[in-house]
Amino acid sequence: DTAVSQTPKYLVTQMGNDKSIKCEQNLGHDTMYWYKQDSKKFLKIMFSYNNKELIINETVPNRFSPKSPDKAHLNLHINSLELGDSAVYFCASRTGGEQYFGPGTRLTVT
Amino acid sequence: GQQVMQIPQYQHVQEGEDFTTYCNSSTTLSNIQWYKQRPGGHPVFLIQLVKSGEVKKQKRLTFQFGEAKKNSSLHITATQTTDVGTYFCAGPNAGGTSYGKLTFGQGTILTVHP
Repeated sequence: DTAVSQTPKYLVTQMGNDKSIKCEQNLGHDTMYWYKQDSKKFLKIMFSYNNKELIINETVPNRFSPKSPDKAHLNLHINSLELGDSAVYFCASRTGGEQYFGPGTRLTVT
Repeated sequence: GQQVMQIPQYQHVQEGEDFTTYCNSSTTLSNIQWYKQRPGGHPVFLIQLVKSGEVKKQKRLTFQFGEAKKNSSLHITATQTTDVGTYFCAGPNAGGTSYGKLTFGQGTILTVHP
């Protein structure tokens, strides 16, 4: 059984479009995260939700809007995509110390 | 803000050689975590160190947490091609909230030549 899943795995789209990435975890964790990994492998946290409540909101353009319909799901919607948004986006969840990452969504903006 | 620096950024070794990556934090850490990301994969948790001066081993991997709890290292003995990947250290933010915000180091990309 997949612990943290993301869809889609790959996303290729044009500048200016709006897209969404979905994340689900079946671990029963209360806290979920979105990370962005750039081409140099740097992992940077974007958002975190704890039991559907936004608790971490890093310096991210407001074109990015997370939504958590329930504590098992955390989605990421991106408006007006830009070339610089191209990256791998990871969802993660946590209950104790370690974080469990999803397989990632590779977003390519052309 | 809190910074976590990791060196080296890249390391190429011959299979059988040892490898070490170092992690330094600008602030004292309550704990430090290590993750491994295989090429094309996602970060996978390896270990968490909590105590000052702690040393933990996982087969050929040895993890250390500095006495001042500001630095850490990961040492791999006799690397194998399966060790290829990016190794990240990560520390909780200085505020120590219970929500687990981690600051990741830049990672060390390890290449093992057979």
